[in-house]
Amino acid sequence: EDQVTQSPEALRLQEGESSSLNCSYTVSGLRGLFWYRQDPGKGPEFLFTLYSAGEEKEKERLKATLTKKESFLHITAPKPEDSATYLCAVQANFGNEKLTFGTGTRLTIIP
Amino acid sequence: EPEVTQTPSHQVTQMGQEVILRCVPISNHLYFYWYRQILGQKVEFLVSFYNNEISEKSEIFDDQFSVERPDGSNFTLKIRSTKLEDSAMYFCASSLSSGNTIYFGEGSWLTVV
Repeated sequence: EDQVTQSPEALRLQEGESSSLNCSYTVSGLRGLFWYRQDPGKGPEFLFTLYSAGEEKEKERLKATLTKKESFLHITAPKPEDSATYLCAVQANFGNEKLTFGTGTRLTIIP
Repeated sequence: EPEVTQTPSHQVTQMGQEVILRCVPISNHLYFYWYRQILGQKVEFLVSFYNNEISEKSEIFDDQFSVERPDGSNFTLKIRSTKLEDSAMYFCASSLSSGNTIYFGEGSWLTVV
């Protein structure tokens, strides 16, 4: 069974204080690892897809990296508007469309 | 930017009543999904739909649930006889092709009383 574990559960940072969120996964053949951002009461908003170990993607203050066992979401010099829950999800094998989500990391950036 | 739209945003229903949640996926997308998120818990897969049939479903998606694409634009989730434990946020999602990015709607919050 595919599993995704995210840590920490919650993270409070001062504005400008960089950090990383972790997503560990076990899957029977990784097809893709997805990062989403979720604001309270809203749907997941797509950030990145990573397909193979060593791949990196960047968007503004966010950078996602992937190894064979985990992914990191690095946040550089965050701003209060980066406060949200960040979700990691995996998609396994070809012909298997479902995403298996982790419980997320709730990030709070303090001005 | 194209988006997945869902209605209603919030519905309160009596236990045992039927509920239909509606979604308009992104127009050129071919794969459609329903997920749910119980308050404070993780997002869970319910069902995927492609080429007018269910391609995959989870254990949660039992005989009380059904999906339909009644026309070229709408995608619906029906819960036949709602239970208290069906209270959750239901997300519709779509993707252009297999393995491609999956885009989510803003959700329909269902409260069963």
